[in-house]
Amino acid sequence: GAVVSQHPSWVICKSGTSVKIECRSLDFQATTMFWYRQFPKQSLMLMATSNEGSKATYEQGVEKDKFLINHASLTLSTLTVTSAHPEDSSFYICSAPDRDNSPLHFGNGTRLTVT
Amino acid sequence: AQKVTQAQTEISVVEKEDVTLDCVYETRDTTYYLFWYKQPPSGELVFLIRRNSFDEQNEISGRYSWNFQKSTSSFNFTITASQVVDSAVYFCALNQNSWGKFQFGAGTQVVVTP
Repeated sequence: GAVVSQHPSWVICKSGTSVKIECRSLDFQATTMFWYRQFPKQSLMLMATSNEGSKATYEQGVEKDKFLINHASLTLSTLTVTSAHPEDSSFYICSAPDRDNSPLHFGNGTRLTVT
Repeated sequence: AQKVTQAQTEISVVEKEDVTLDCVYETRDTTYYLFWYKQPPSGELVFLIRRNSFDEQNEISGRYSWNFQKSTSSFNFTITASQVVDSAVYFCALNQNSWGKFQFGAGTQVVVTP
């Protein structure tokens, strides 16, 4: 079945550096992908909607200059956390719908720790 | 605005007991979709069920069953004869179409002890 692959699964970085997270749809094309963030023991909060060929749509309160989203192709969306700080440490997870209107497929998530 | 409420933060049961997770939602849309996802400690989200607003039939899948009551805006989930492998966080979610962005509930942690 359709699969969404997310990479890396976990990353540790130093404060002030940037981290790129990839979300790939493996056997279907996704013109839209969604990025969520989940703090420990909390729910998933939508950060932004990634649109292939156009700018991402960010949810209220999400800094677009800090969380750069690039949907370069029909199978790849990337989230770059720029100038990461410890408060950006979180679990980031992407999702994508495939063509036949199946339920959303989620990646396995990326656990980011900023030291 | 859409809202999903999972009032139970954590439920602890002993293996083989039944456990029911509550989910109450709010939406102004006449067409919407409700979901349940399981999130084990490894973090991935496992799809359990999708229901559209026009289908109020209850559903049973193995040890899982769901009770959708539009009149009370509830979509409750029951695990029968719980097992240790059922230990996870369970999320109820809502969206306007079956593929769009979700509004998730806060999640309910289920702890099943042997």
